Amino acid sequence: EIVLTQSPGTLSMSPGERATLSCRASQSISTSYFAWYQQKPGQAPRLLIYGTFSRATGIPDRFSGSGSETDFTLTINRLEPEDFAVYYCQQFASSPTTFGQGTKVEIK
Amino acid sequence: EVQLAQSGAEVKKPGESLRISCEASGYSFTTYWIAWVRQVPGRGLEWLGVIYPSDSDTRYSPSFQGQVTISVDKSINTAYLQWSGLKASDTGIYFCARPVHMARGVPGTFDIWGQGTLVTVSA
Repeated sequence: EIVLTQSPGTLSMSPGERATLSCRASQSISTSYFAWYQQKPGQAPRLLIYGTFSRATGIPDRFSGSGSETDFTLTINRLEPEDFAVYYCQQFASSPTTFGQGTKVEIK
Repeated sequence: EVQLAQSGAEVKKPGESLRISCEASGYSFTTYWIAWVRQVPGRGLEWLGVIYPSDSDTRYSPSFQGQVTISVDKSINTAYLQWSGLKASDTGIYFCARPVHMARGVPGTFDIWGQGTLVTVSA
């Protein structure tokens, strides 16, 4: 099973700042099989980024994804109040599909 | 609008059985797989299994094989997750979700999610 480790666990930021979230895989993954989700309290996760780089429908361009092999990054430029949430990475390069434990982006 | 609507919260005792549901609308139910994902505080998101409604082809995560059963009723566009003997460790929020595609038998990105069903198992 591929283990995804996200860091940091919590990111304290101010609106307008840039947030950089990391996800490290226990083995190399094709960029095609990697995604990011956002989850707000009491809601289901929402797909943000698929295939490492591509934004899902309706996702603003301040969200961007990058990375390769074992190291992947989600960058949120100019944080908006609605961006404070928990973010999860996911791999489906091999079964079972697995998720990281999440990074909480909180207001400083 | 494409939606997955889940059944309401449940409170059960250890050993009891339970079936929760996920009703799809707004798209062709039989042409997309449906998956179940659990969320437990401290354990994050865990994939349980996935089913193809057209022929009920079902794949389970090794961690949940034999622990749960996934099924569908095509006539009412509904997927189910059931337990025959609940344990306290089954407590959590269960989401149904639609993978955009399957990649070599593994569900890919989940573009549509149900609202979640809270299952509480306590004596």
